[in-house]
Amino acid sequence: AQSVTQLDSQVPVFEEAPVELRCNYSSSVSVYLFWYVQYPNQGLQLLLKYLSGSTLVESINGFEAEFNKSQTSFHLRKPSVHISDTAEYFCAVSDRGGSNYKLTFGKGTLLTVNP
Amino acid sequence: DGGITQSPKYLFRKEGQNVTLSCEQNLNHDAMYWYRQDPGQGLRLIYYSQIVNDFQKGDIAEGYSVSREKKESFPLTVTSAQKNPTAFYLCASSMNLAAGELFFGEGSRLTVL
Repeated sequence: AQSVTQLDSQVPVFEEAPVELRCNYSSSVSVYLFWYVQYPNQGLQLLLKYLSGSTLVESINGFEAEFNKSQTSFHLRKPSVHISDTAEYFCAVSDRGGSNYKLTFGKGTLLTVNP
Repeated sequence: DGGITQSPKYLFRKEGQNVTLSCEQNLNHDAMYWYRQDPGQGLRLIYYSQIVNDFQKGDIAEGYSVSREKKESFPLTVTSAQKNPTAFYLCASSMNLAAGELFFGEGSRLTVL
């Protein structure tokens, strides 16, 4: 069975500071990895994904994540955050090409950017 | 615009009543899902469907029921058997089950009084 651990439930930072949201997963097979973002009282939006190829993936708003197979991690980073980045972030994992669908979410990390 | 529409956004019900949450998509996606979100617990899968007239139980299906009579629609009924129904419910869709990337609606917040 696969699982996802987001190591921090809350991360407060000041505007323009760097941030890292940590995500570790466990799975017996190869995986796809995702980060989703949720603004208050809204659904989730895909932020970025790793399917194959380059282990470093980027989003259009400056976030990036690196797939590290040996450490089974997919940490999310941004070098300089804005107030508008305040949201909850979810890491998710699914089996690659598995016959039984399963997308497993972490419990989320609330990022709060303060002025 | 293409997307997923959930209704109602807010819903109140008395204990012992069934309630149905609507989910409609115009993305032409085959797969649809219902998740429940509680504070600090992430998302938990209730039911999913990969094709019309077929659906499967997720991790927490007890007390819920669904139907998939049309490709565009995947309503969720929260029955009186669900012991703790107050939650935020999210509907999602994807091209197919193997796609991995989900598109979400804006959610329905159910409060049982």
